[in-house]
Amino acid sequence: QKEVEQNSGPLSVPEGAIASLNCTYSDRGSQSFFWYRQYSGKSPELIMSIYSNGDKEDGRFTAQLNKASQYVSLLIRDSQPSDSATYLCADSDSNYQLIWGAGTKLIIKP
Amino acid sequence: GAVVSQHPSRVICKSGTSVKIECRSLDFQATTMFWYRQFPKKSLMLMATSNEGSKATYEQGVEKDKFLINHASLTLSTLTVTSAHPEDSSFYICSARGTAVRVREKLFFGSGTQLSVL
Repeated sequence: QKEVEQNSGPLSVPEGAIASLNCTYSDRGSQSFFWYRQYSGKSPELIMSIYSNGDKEDGRFTAQLNKASQYVSLLIRDSQPSDSATYLCADSDSNYQLIWGAGTKLIIKP
Repeated sequence: GAVVSQHPSRVICKSGTSVKIECRSLDFQATTMFWYRQFPKKSLMLMATSNEGSKATYEQGVEKDKFLINHASLTLSTLTVTSAHPEDSSFYICSARGTAVRVREKLFFGSGTQLSVL
């Protein structure tokens, strides 16, 4: 059974520091990976997608993919209190069905 | 980005009533829509997948007669919770996927519906 695993946290990071969120996946055939952010009581919103090995940067966010290790990460630089949320990792199978991780709760402390 | 509209955002109803939730893709054709439910502090749980013009595929443990899904057009899917009971109280979220390259792989979410059954 395909799985995506994340540490549920909470992960506490001081404001201004780098927050590092990690995710592993079981399906070696997965090609697409996504990070979603979900605030309490709200729907998930897509932050980053990554398809190739290496880093992908978008503003303060960097997604990293290592297919050999089946590992995806999200780095948030200069963390802000508004970044406090649950971050969901997901990969996509050949039918574009998303397999979700359980999410990591991130707390940015002022 | 693609927009998915979900209504209502909040429903409070009496036990035994039915509640309909609508999900619309506003600027793309959503050939596939997904319905999730989420309990407090828990992750998303996929309930069913619906493709336009065909019957929904329900996940194991989800009662199809209780959670009626209709996907009659490429832009609209509805979820009806029939004879709702307090244990059905949850946050229901729809998401949509289109066929065009820019929307094919990514899921776009509605804003969610908080259902409270008294």
